Amino acid sequence: NAGVTQTPKFRILKIGQSMTLQCTQDMNHNYMYWYRQDPGMGLKLIYYSVGAGITDKGEVPNGYNVSRSTTEDFPLRLELAAPSQTSVYFCASSQYAGGEMANYGYTFGSGTRLTVV
Amino acid sequence: AQTVTQSQPEMSVQEAETVTLSCTYDTSESDYYLFWYKQPPSRQMILVIRQEAYKQQNATENRFSVNFQKAAKSFSLKISDSQLGDAAMYFCAYRSARGNEKLTFGTGTRLTIIP
Repeated sequence: NAGVTQTPKFRILKIGQSMTLQCTQDMNHNYMYWYRQDPGMGLKLIYYSVGAGITDKGEVPNGYNVSRSTTEDFPLRLELAAPSQTSVYFCASSQYAGGEMANYGYTFGSGTRLTVV
Repeated sequence: AQTVTQSQPEMSVQEAETVTLSCTYDTSESDYYLFWYKQPPSRQMILVIRQEAYKQQNATENRFSVNFQKAAKSFSLKISDSQLGDAAMYFCAYRSARGNEKLTFGTGTRLTIIP
């Protein structure tokens, strides 16, 4: 019963490098999300997906890309890393909102701390 | 767009005492959900309590309870009999009952428990 698994937990990137943050959930949730959390701030939505093959931008999508080829996986791609992307990244999932399911919160991964130098 | 405001960046409480964390939100919707999440130093986001806007009764989970004032758009969290393990960042969050399930977070309140 893993829930939401994020890898890696920590990463240091040089400016201009690229990387993919991995996220996998085993709960068959149809909704998945990527958030970033900057120091002293709340979480801001980067991208989200309502199902396999469907993704959409959140509040802060610039510099990121996502794909959702399967229900389980929702990787986040950073192209040309910049110091402004230094943050903690959280992946989360939830089930479709309808009836009693609608009041369920998210299930979060444990986060990836990314530093761009 | 919905906004969530937590006006207390930091709070502290003596162990075994009661503390209340404040949260206000702005929305034009009538049907929505509110949540409190706890983030300990481990960084894990843990759901503490949730409230459906259509319910007048305030939610309670053991030592955690909320004071939901829909007209005032206020959603405070009360922690009774505070314990050392309650020390964490607490985030208030809003989610519409329709649409794509996005959570909007406040900026958080850091709670310190004084032994």
